[in-house]
Amino acid sequence: GAVVSQHPSRVICKSGTSVKIECRSLDFQATTMFWYRQFPKQSLMLMATSNEGSKATYEQGVEKDKFLINHASLTLSTLTVTSAHPEDSSFYICSAEGVYNEQFFGPGTRLTVL
Amino acid sequence: QKEVEQNSGPLSVPEGAIASLNCTYSDRVSQSFFWYRQYSGKSPELIMSIYSNGDKEDGRFTAQLNKASQYVSLLIRDSQPSDSATYLCAVNIRSRMKTSYDKVIFGPGTSLSVIP
Repeated sequence: GAVVSQHPSRVICKSGTSVKIECRSLDFQATTMFWYRQFPKQSLMLMATSNEGSKATYEQGVEKDKFLINHASLTLSTLTVTSAHPEDSSFYICSAEGVYNEQFFGPGTRLTVL
Repeated sequence: QKEVEQNSGPLSVPEGAIASLNCTYSDRVSQSFFWYRQYSGKSPELIMSIYSNGDKEDGRFTAQLNKASQYVSLLIRDSQPSDSATYLCAVNIRSRMKTSYDKVIFGPGTSLSVIP
């Protein structure tokens, strides 16, 4: 159980375009989902906490107007990187929270902005 | 002091040995503790959770929690080359702000290399 999917797994886009990443909990309902970013050989960095039906809570230093998060249902959260630039290139990972605060991670999305 | 600390490693152990991974945390009222494994280029995978003092065993993995010392560890018995990965310790940190949620903080991870 506790399967989380992410789509797409890999995306290459031109600078200035927007990219949407979907995160789905396939076999359970997740009131809370999280979005992380990870640069090569670095730690996970929490970007925001997404709660179903309410606004996301962003970590300090993360631009909410650039990284739009929508958690419209108990099984789907989306992250949209608006006007992407090369410095946004990274590995984006979502997770869904279980009943005991454990997190189940999606497989990640590797974004490359040219 | 960082909220969750781990030795970055790399920790190298020979195949068949016991690998010991350690983690300390700063929030005395933390209640939930997790170990995740992350292979290079992949997302983290939950391998153990522990909520009360003592040991919890699952196959070759044993998690140990000492809340008085604010210390949690992961032992991997009979280490295999396939155990080579980065191991992330995660701790639930209670929110001190009414407008914020409790959240799980990840340590920086310890890189483990099991040598055949």
